[in-house]
Amino acid sequence: DAGVIQSPRHEVTEMGQEVTLRCKPISGHNSLFWYRQTMMRGLELLIYFNNNVPIDDSGMPEDRFSAKMPNASFSTLKIQPSEPRDSAVYFCASSESTGELFFGEGSRLTVL
Amino acid sequence: AQRVTQPEKLLSVFKGAPVELKCNYSYSGSPELFWYVQYSRQRLQLLLRHISRESIKGFTADLNKGETSFHLKKPFAQEEDSAMYYCALSGYGGSQGNLIFGKGTKLSVKP
Repeated sequence: DAGVIQSPRHEVTEMGQEVTLRCKPISGHNSLFWYRQTMMRGLELLIYFNNNVPIDDSGMPEDRFSAKMPNASFSTLKIQPSEPRDSAVYFCASSESTGELFFGEGSRLTVL
Repeated sequence: AQRVTQPEKLLSVFKGAPVELKCNYSYSGSPELFWYVQYSRQRLQLLLRHISRESIKGFTADLNKGETSFHLKKPFAQEEDSAMYYCALSGYGGSQGNLIFGKGTKLSVKP
């Protein structure tokens, strides 16, 4: 297995534009997590899904952020409209029910 | 509130020296504690978890509930140990859902 796959690896956009980050979890894993990493705040959990259902989205900063998991093999994190303070590395991770988290390589977002 | 504190942003030691990366947590129940590591150009990955009570790559960590600490230790550091280390806490017994991470400590092992 290639592990958790995220795209794009790098994204540079202008303020106000829509950004969509994508994640393919490891096959067979039933939990998926989105984290955001910044220098100031470290790694923050944004949202996580169990069996494609959002369980805890309390970490989502505001209504500009939304996440979906239409099936077991795909998830998106969307920011609309984007702002410079959204610049960060966004990580996706997946796990089996009680297993360790397996992280993707991250998507580095820069909003100008 | 659940919180993980790693007081050192950067820790620099010489090869062969002992190393201790500090981690303190705040949690009212019975937490599960983990250490994750990110080597240069690699993904964040699990190093060890307290319930396993095992040594990985020479590293050990003991959960001290009295001091609410989970420090990571290695008696003799190696250059290949240079990496970013994150302490993490889960309040969901047995599951790593909703892991709360510390801000990380960058370990630099000099030759």
